[in-house]
Amino acid sequence: AQKVTQAQTEISVVEKEDVTLDCVYETRDTTYYLFWYKQPPSGELVFLIRRNSFDEQNEISGRYSWNFQKSTSSFNFTITASQVVDSAVYFCALRLLGSTSGTYKYIFGTGTRLKVLA
Amino acid sequence: DSGVTQTPKHLITATGQRVTLRCSPRSGDLSVYWYQQSLDQGLQFLIQYYNGEERAKGNILERFSAQQFPDLHSELNLSSLELGDSALYFCASSPGLAGGFQETQYFGPGTRLLVL
Repeated sequence: AQKVTQAQTEISVVEKEDVTLDCVYETRDTTYYLFWYKQPPSGELVFLIRRNSFDEQNEISGRYSWNFQKSTSSFNFTITASQVVDSAVYFCALRLLGSTSGTYKYIFGTGTRLKVLA
Repeated sequence: DSGVTQTPKHLITATGQRVTLRCSPRSGDLSVYWYQQSLDQGLQFLIQYYNGEERAKGNILERFSAQQFPDLHSELNLSSLELGDSALYFCASSPGLAGGFQETQYFGPGTRLLVL
């Protein structure tokens, strides 16, 4: 089965708290990519990160960090010292090669709505 | 502002009709991606073009087609529209191909399509 699970439907935190958004994926493919996207209340999508299956290095970008663990099939996203502007829906996605040449299969999670309260 | 433009912002049409959504990528970006976001299906990848050629296909229906023109703008054509096609359609662009290091995607504001 190929699946992306974002079990947290909605999280509320108070500003300056750290928060981790969970993403668990399922695939038997050895080559794949994982993504995180942000969708603020205004509706546009923002690409946050892409990670390939051979690169398990954690990544930090400012207040954002990502923890990729193949052993647990997880690609979790942590926001440190959250701010009101971080309020958004966050999507995790898995991209696999499709069964036909030149096709991709993207599997998106259902998203986690993060509310950061002032 | 991502630099990606999409027109129109909103579109209301009837079942059975055909519409064209337009996307202009960021200056210099060669790849264009199309995504659909609906309440029923969530986010779905439709198709990607790179420098005028189709490079990757996702869950695009046969009633839908796309192309990328020599000036790199792209159009997504939706025909024989059904109620279930009502969705937000996003376009994104990136400098390079999927899988390459230049894959950071920049999204347009989306076109909201309502089929009545």
